[in-house]
Amino acid sequence: DTGVSQDPRHKITKRGQNVTFRCDPISEHNRLYWYRQTLGQGPEFLTYFQNEAQLEKSRLLSDRFSAERPKGSFSTLEIQRTEQGDSAMYLCASSSERRTGELFFGEGSRLTVL
Amino acid sequence: GQNIDQPTEMTATEGAIVQINCTYQTSGFNGLFWYQQHAGEAPTFLSYNVLDGLEEKGRFSSFLSRSKGYSYLLLKELQMKDSASYLCAVRDNAGNMLTFGGGTRLMVKP
Repeated sequence: DTGVSQDPRHKITKRGQNVTFRCDPISEHNRLYWYRQTLGQGPEFLTYFQNEAQLEKSRLLSDRFSAERPKGSFSTLEIQRTEQGDSAMYLCASSSERRTGELFFGEGSRLTVL
Repeated sequence: GQNIDQPTEMTATEGAIVQINCTYQTSGFNGLFWYQQHAGEAPTFLSYNVLDGLEEKGRFSSFLSRSKGYSYLLLKELQMKDSASYLCAVRDNAGNMLTFGGGTRLMVKP
């Protein structure tokens, strides 16, 4: 397994457009997390899945954000009606059930909203 | 809620020892974790502490005092490649998620 992969790596969009990011976790990991990171800051938790169930979602996450993990494997994060404040690096991570603090991060999807 | 504080930047000399502190005030606690993040790259796991005391892992050690809400990461025999951001993170009571601090950017100079 080559680790966590994310696609696309970079996305430039105009304000008001919808964007979708995909994450493929390490295959044997049943936990999947989405974080957002801006320059000079630590990652900010968005949401997490255990298998296909979305068990927690940050209160900071507006209704424009939605995430799915339909078959308990890959996940998508969609942002509707993007705003300039959504510009950030969107990081996906996965972990095993036994070692939930040891997150394996993907390289991230960098979003720029013009 | 969670409040995690780290110094924003530190500078140290190659071959020296540096200590990066982290203080936290959280509504729940189930472990403290350190991650390293090189510029433009994803964070990678370094170490963790669940109980009080020192955990040593090669050139890196991490210490935890739960009563003081305090941890530090100790880096020995600094190398230029250690220039990176170091992120402190606290796991919640349920063991479900990590909350990260803002990170400490370490610059190692020759």
